[in-house]
Order: sequence, then C-alpha cells, then structure tokens
Amino acid sequence: KQEVTQIPAALSVPEGENLVLNCSFTDSAIYNLQWFRQDPGKGLTSLLLIQSSQREQTSGRLNASLDKSSGRSTLYIAASQPGDSATYLCAVRVNRDDKIIFGKGTRLHILP
Amino acid sequence: NAGVTQTPKFRILKIGQSMTLQCTQDMNHNYMYWYRQDPGMGLKLIYYSVGAGITDKGEVPNGYNVSRSTTEDFPLRLELAAPSQTSVYFCASTRTDQPFKEAFFGQGTRLTVV
Repeated sequence: KQEVTQIPAALSVPEGENLVLNCSFTDSAIYNLQWFRQDPGKGLTSLLLIQSSQREQTSGRLNASLDKSSGRSTLYIAASQPGDSATYLCAVRVNRDDKIIFGKGTRLHILP
Repeated sequence: NAGVTQTPKFRILKIGQSMTLQCTQDMNHNYMYWYRQDPGMGLKLIYYSVGAGITDKGEVPNGYNVSRSTTEDFPLRLELAAPSQTSVYFCASTRTDQPFKEAFFGQGTRLTVV
C-alpha cells in the first residue's frame, strides 16, 4: 500500500529565505509525482509535475526534485515571499492501479 | 475551457438525508477521482474510475457510492448522511494518453452534516 509522508507538518520562516519541503513515499513504482498549493478554504493549484523518469522540474522560484529509488521528493522555494504562505501537498500516481495518493501537506507561513 | 466543475459549492444536510455531489469535466479525460479532505489533513481517495462503466474503491469508500455512465460525469452519492461525512469533497480528472497524466481538480464542495 502506497503511503505518502510530508515533513515538516508546519513551517514558519522569515521573508526572503530559501526553503525546502519534503515528501517521501513507500512504493517507488510511481508514474509521476505532483506538487500542489492550497490556500485556506480554496481548491488545489498544480505547481509542478515530475515524471518518474525525470530528476527535477522548475517553474520560476520553484524547483522540485525526485529520487524515485529512495522514495523522496523535495520542493525548493527560493527567495520566499508572504504570498507563498499556503499549504503545499504532494501526490504520487501509482503505476499498478493509477490511484493518486496524497500526503497530509506542509503548512507554510512566510513572516513579513 | 471549464475544466472540472463541481456542484454544489456548499451544502448542509441533516443526519440520514441523501444527496449527490456532481462532478463533470469537459476535457475528455478517462480517469476521474473523488477525494475528501478533513481539517488539517491531506486528501483521502474515496472512489475512482478509469473510464465509463468502471469504478473502484479508494482508501475510504464506506458510506459512499459512485457511478460512471458517461466520460464527462462522475457523481458521488451519500445515501444516509452521518456527521463523520462532514468534509470538503474534491473531484479530479486525468487523461491516460497524455504523457504526463497531470491531475486537474475542481473547486470543491463543502458539506456539513448536522
């Protein structure tokens, strides 16, 4: 059974710092991994998608890496801004049955 | 392009009532998913479908039913609402022939059972 864990559960950092969010999964047989952002009371916004054959993807100040063999992904946010405050969720698509399994998320607060 | 549309956005149900949460997508996606999200938690998979006429259980299917008679629609049915079903429900869809199989989500339905 695929399990996805995100550490830390919550994080507060001063504006301008670079930061890393972690995601780990127990079964490396995944098709892809997707990072989402969720603002309070809102839906999910897709940030980055990494295929299982890829090592990283970049979009603006965001960089996501994937090490499938060790079951880990990181989301790197450069030069953090107060507008980055949100919950960040990672999800993996399982090869065997196409289920998409989520972690519990990391609540990020950027201090002005 | 509307993407994934969920209705209603909000609903209050009394214990024991029934309702259907609607989800429709206009992207001709084969795969559709239903999730629930409780406060401070990630999304838990309820049911999913790989195509019209095919559905399968996810992590938390008890108390729910689904059907998939068309590619576009994937309704979620609550037969006897219970307070434990108070949650935010999200529907998602993906393609199978797209290389990246990116998931697209609706805006959610906030359900309260009292």
